Amino acid sequence: QQQVKQSPQSLIVQKGGIPIINCAYENTAFDYFPWYQQFPGKGPALLIAIRPDVSEKKEGRFTISFNKSAKQFSLHIMDSQPGDSATYFCAASNPDKLIFGTGTRLQVFP
Amino acid sequence: EAGVAQSPRYKIIEKRQSVAFWCNPISGHATLYWYQQILGQGPKLLIQFQNNGVVDDSQLPKDRFSAERLKGVDSTLKIQPAKLEDSAVYLCASTLGVTSGGAVTDTQYFGPGTRLTVL
Repeated sequence: QQQVKQSPQSLIVQKGGIPIINCAYENTAFDYFPWYQQFPGKGPALLIAIRPDVSEKKEGRFTISFNKSAKQFSLHIMDSQPGDSATYFCAASNPDKLIFGTGTRLQVFP
Repeated sequence: EAGVAQSPRYKIIEKRQSVAFWCNPISGHATLYWYQQILGQGPKLLIQFQNNGVVDDSQLPKDRFSAERLKGVDSTLKIQPAKLEDSAVYLCASTLGVTSGGAVTDTQYFGPGTRLTVL
């Protein structure tokens, strides 16, 4: 019940494409859903986060869609760039302990 | 502001040896976390400190792992003796904790990690 399931494991898109990464959770007590971006040799960095009282949040080219009834949330990257190539982790927490998904390795080719 | 600092960045040891990692959180951050990230997986929480007290160490293999945060600032994580399966990146993260207004702040800031290889 404490798991966060993430898919796909890897994703390859061309520049300008819109990669979508999906996550699902079971524990309805989770109340904070962040996405982290990790480059090789670096620690994860917060990208964008959402709480379950809203269905969508946009920050620049990054959008989280949240479906509370389905217990699913997803990250969309608009107009993807080669610099977006990284590993993306979804996570869920209640109240301050993060449970991470398994990660999605994104490669954006020019 | 300076980020979370960790050292060393890399460590190679043989099994059954001991190793220690150091973390200096962002100034003023009350809550400190240690995570283990095995290659190809997401970070897994090992231990959480609030100031110098342990909040959660339920995932810490206490027969070989120990951690302390004596003065509520820096923290060390130790493994003794190390096993092959301990090969991973050990990440330290910190968060403000609770603001003066009483709100819980959730954003965790991660350090660059220490990559441990156990041979």
